[in-house]
Amino acid sequence: KNQVEQSPQSLIILEGKNCTLQCNYTVSPFSNLRWYKQDTGRGPVSLTIMTFSENTKSNGRYTATLDADTKQSSLHITASQLSDSASYICVVSPHRSNDYKLSFGAGTTVTVRA
Amino acid sequence: NAGVTQTPKFRVLKTGQSMTLLCAQDMNHEYMYWYRQDPGMGLRLIHYSVGEGTTAKGEVPDGYNVSRLKKQNFLLGLESAAPSQTSVYFCASRTSGVYEQYFGPGTRLTVT
Repeated sequence: KNQVEQSPQSLIILEGKNCTLQCNYTVSPFSNLRWYKQDTGRGPVSLTIMTFSENTKSNGRYTATLDADTKQSSLHITASQLSDSASYICVVSPHRSNDYKLSFGAGTTVTVRA
Repeated sequence: NAGVTQTPKFRVLKTGQSMTLLCAQDMNHEYMYWYRQDPGMGLRLIHYSVGEGTTAKGEVPDGYNVSRLKKQNFLLGLESAAPSQTSVYFCASRTSGVYEQYFGPGTRLTVT
């Protein structure tokens, strides 16, 4: 069973609207949680990285939150643009000193329509 | 900076053929990784390297070999390709002390 579950699997939103993606994890111990954006046919690009002591981090119109007690994270996209159409991947790391044990979620595919 | 580059971008192999995927980075990163991405699944680590001349197995290493003869290059080899190795392969790299991994554009491999 995957230790990182993302929901929804996909969603469609209208340009200018907001949306929130969810990530639940069971990875333990926990060091940091990352959100990546992956455009179709491209490699993932880092959006945010949060350690266990952080509960929110922003990158432009992207805001990630983390609740390490409930093992949940969310990624909020504000005022969506067509360029936000992509897959968003949640990644959890159990170790601070190395990352060969990263757990990747399967991603949420976001489609923004004009 | 080109960042992380991968060659080739696409490849079709017949079962039993061999090939090598090349990953190159120009950021002087110590750590390099090879992942595969399959539909409906998260990325899975195949092999990784913490420095020139060193390699280690990841989560799904069977059927693959790697080499890191130069710091900037990380090669992934398939000695005898199988249809189960049809996937998109991503290379990534990072520097010491920083969490962020930088990914290449991927190689789409089909084994028939």
